[in-house]
Amino acid sequence: DTGVSQDPRHKITKRGQNVTFRCDPISEHNRLYWYRQTLGQGPEFLTYFQNEAQLEKSRLLSDRFSAERPKGSFSTLEIQRTEQGDSAMYLCASSLGRSTVTETQYFGPGTRLLVL
Amino acid sequence: GESVGLHLPTLSVQEGDNSIINCAYSNSASDYFIWYKQESGKGPQFIIDIRSNMDKRQGQRVTVLLNKTVKHLSLQIAATQPGDSAVYFCAEIPLIQGAQKLVFGQGTRLTINP
Repeated sequence: DTGVSQDPRHKITKRGQNVTFRCDPISEHNRLYWYRQTLGQGPEFLTYFQNEAQLEKSRLLSDRFSAERPKGSFSTLEIQRTEQGDSAMYLCASSLGRSTVTETQYFGPGTRLLVL
Repeated sequence: GESVGLHLPTLSVQEGDNSIINCAYSNSASDYFIWYKQESGKGPQFIIDIRSNMDKRQGQRVTVLLNKTVKHLSLQIAATQPGDSAVYFCAEIPLIQGAQKLVFGQGTRLTINP
């Protein structure tokens, strides 16, 4: 499968714990995006990377959230001191990122987080 | 502000019929529009996209229509099949230099009746 992959697919944690999610984009895609989706809603943008540079962060991304893409390939999203309101599906997407033209974003299967 | 909304939250059609899913957007500066299909427990799957310099684009069994005058977007699915049952989202990217953020609407749940 050459699509976007995410790990884990499901995560259950207790409030106050830290969690980390991983995203592997489509090979040779330079742009990587993180979105959050709550039940019954459309995905909401969190942040995106052009290669290893984090270029935009949403106000939804509080200080407890941090995303990295150290080598410009896979990315991690960490949530510290999780709260029940963090329960959601965390989606990763990637696109070619070869120009400034808007490009199609392809999504992974998501990581569903439940904070107890 | 930016917002993308859908006229109907649910839509039921008979198998074999055509379906039309509508979407209204509020940002007249949006340059790029895209339809995604999301099945339960899965990530959004790209269906078709259209840029603001076009008013119609066709794919396999799907057509997207863009009416910039009334800021309306629609997705037409021909000869619906059971596998078309899913939630459909429209999304937009505003025309801002370097902008890559998709703004999604709430979604329409399409149910195909046998």
